[in-house]
Amino acid sequence: DAGITQSPRHKVTETGTPVTLRCHQTENHRYMYWYRQDPGHGLRLIHYSYGVKDTDKGEVSDGYSVSRSKTEDFLLTLESATSSQTSVYFCAISATSGRAFWGTDTQYFGPGTRLTVL
Amino acid sequence: QQQVKQSPQSLIVQKGGISIINCAYENTAFDYFPWYQQFPGKGPALLIAIRPDVSEKKEGRFTISFNKSAKQFSLHIMDSQPGDSATYFCAALTQGGSEKLVFGKGTKLTVNP
Repeated sequence: DAGITQSPRHKVTETGTPVTLRCHQTENHRYMYWYRQDPGHGLRLIHYSYGVKDTDKGEVSDGYSVSRSKTEDFLLTLESATSSQTSVYFCAISATSGRAFWGTDTQYFGPGTRLTVL
Repeated sequence: QQQVKQSPQSLIVQKGGISIINCAYENTAFDYFPWYQQFPGKGPALLIAIRPDVSEKKEGRFTISFNKSAKQFSLHIMDSQPGDSATYFCAALTQGGSEKLVFGKGTKLTVNP
């Protein structure tokens, strides 16, 4: 398994509170991603990073911010959590654009963080 | 706007049967089509992938069939086993500098013993 850890694994918080989820990798991969998974919606990209301090928005970025100050860490912050942000959050990493080493490189996913916003 | 449409939402198959999951896309810029397998409580994991210059790719009991003109691709699981019970996601890769995958909504496969 790719060396990806997410913390915390489970969190319950209240509406309006800030929440930060952490993704840590030991693979020294360039690309890192945050997804959310909801029933009936599959996996949706929130934000991604293509290098230290280089980030961009994904499909569902409203209400979320990210930071990447080190290659190994990618933080997802909910500035003021809402009930609609109750979800399972997955971090993923990849070494390169899939095109560069097609068939041999892909996104590897972490174990997920289950977040409940009451 | 859903860029990758996946069906069925759920599928029940008997052990030894063939499981078929279908996906369709609109964006002709997609040029990499992976399938991910996800067990409960785990993150998705790459199962098999194909690119559009190939019509079929087989790895063990898993086969992707790709129809470029119809913009459709499908996953076939031969001799389905109870251990194959999982949620399967098709995906497509957008062109650009980063590997931005677009996922289908998933198919929950149950293989009965």
